[in-house]
Amino acid sequence: EDQVTQSPEALRLQEGESSSLNCSYTVSGLRGLFWYRQDPGKGPEFLFTLYSAGEEKEKERLKATLTKKESFLHITAPKPEDSATYLCAVQSGANSKLTFGKGITLSVRP
Amino acid sequence: ETGVTQTPRHLVMGMTNKKSLKCEQHLGHNAMYWYKQSAKKPLELMFVYSLEERVENNSVPSRFSPECPNSSHLFLHLHTLQPEDSALYLCASSQDSTSGLNEQYFGPGTRLTVT
Repeated sequence: EDQVTQSPEALRLQEGESSSLNCSYTVSGLRGLFWYRQDPGKGPEFLFTLYSAGEEKEKERLKATLTKKESFLHITAPKPEDSATYLCAVQSGANSKLTFGKGITLSVRP
Repeated sequence: ETGVTQTPRHLVMGMTNKKSLKCEQHLGHNAMYWYKQSAKKPLELMFVYSLEERVENNSVPSRFSPECPNSSHLFLHLHTLQPEDSALYLCASSQDSTSGLNEQYFGPGTRLTVT
């Protein structure tokens, strides 16, 4: 059974204080790993897809990286508008459905 | 309209009521999904439709009944719900649910409260 664990559960940063969010996974043949951002009361917004170990993708202050066991979402010089819950999901080769983690709630103080 | 839309955005219903949630996708996708999101829990997949055919039903109680009349529309019919069914119900769509990468795009959700 595919499993996704995200840590920490919550993270509070000062504006400009860079940090990383972790997503550890166990799958039977990774087909893709997905990062989403979710604002309160809204649906998840797609951010990145990573396909294989060593791959990196960037969008504004966010950079996602992937190894064979985990993915990191690095946030560089965050701003208050980066405050949200960040979800990680995996798709395995054996099962086309996505398995989600519980999410990491990020708060950035001005 | 663009992306994935859902109506209503908020719904309060009694345990004896019957209501329906509606989802529409404007992305030309072939697969649509219903998820339940409860506090402190991962998203729970409820139903998957691919080309209007249900391909997955994750042991969801029969008080939830999905309907997919075409590849752009998805409904979730609700009846005799329980208070523990209160949650955010999310609709998503993707190009294909059975092959390739399953990059899903979500709607804004319906916040359901069962009283």
